[in-house]
Amino acid sequence: DAGVIQSPRHEVTEMGQEVTLRCKPISGHNSLFWYRQTMMRGLELLIYFNNNVPIDDSGMPEDRFSAKMPNASFSTLKIQPSEPRDSAVYFCASSLGGSNEKLFFGSGTQLSVL
Amino acid sequence: GEDVEQSLFLSVREGDSSVINCTYTDSSSTYLYWYKQEPGAGLQLLTYIFSNMDMKQDQRLTVLLNKKDKHLSLRIADTQTGDSAIYFCAVPIQGGKLIFGQGTELSVKP
Repeated sequence: DAGVIQSPRHEVTEMGQEVTLRCKPISGHNSLFWYRQTMMRGLELLIYFNNNVPIDDSGMPEDRFSAKMPNASFSTLKIQPSEPRDSAVYFCASSLGGSNEKLFFGSGTQLSVL
Repeated sequence: GEDVEQSLFLSVREGDSSVINCTYTDSSSTYLYWYKQEPGAGLQLLTYIFSNMDMKQDQRLTVLLNKKDKHLSLRIADTQTGDSAIYFCAVPIQGGKLIFGQGTELSVKP
């Protein structure tokens, strides 16, 4: 298995633009997680899905952030409109079971909002 | 609320042992984890321990768990330059979430 696949690897955009990050979890995994990593705040859980259903989105910072999982093999995290303070590395992770199981992380998307 | 604390930096010489510590305030009764993050990469599961164990050894890695003190540690024997990375402990809490520490940056000097 290729592991968790994220795209793009790097994204540079201007303030106010829409940004869409993509994730393909490991085949057969039932749970998918979006994390954000910054120097100041460390690793923060934004949202997680179980069987394509959002279970906990309490970490989503604002209404500008939205996430979808239309099927078991694909998820998106969208920021609209983007702001400079959204600059971070965004990781997607998946696991076989629930949210406290072994997580497998993608390589991340480095987002820079100018 | 739930909190997981780690020291931010550790520097050792090649061949020495490294000990990375983690304290937490709450944990559900499942596994506790150590993840490794190399520059420009995602987190990779390094090892884990079940909450009813107090020690687990896996080649150069030793995990110690003191449930009474809520203290988890990772010992790396014979530390190599390739072990330089950021190490995160991760603790599951009631409600099913996994809480990560801030990460300890391990620097191994030749």
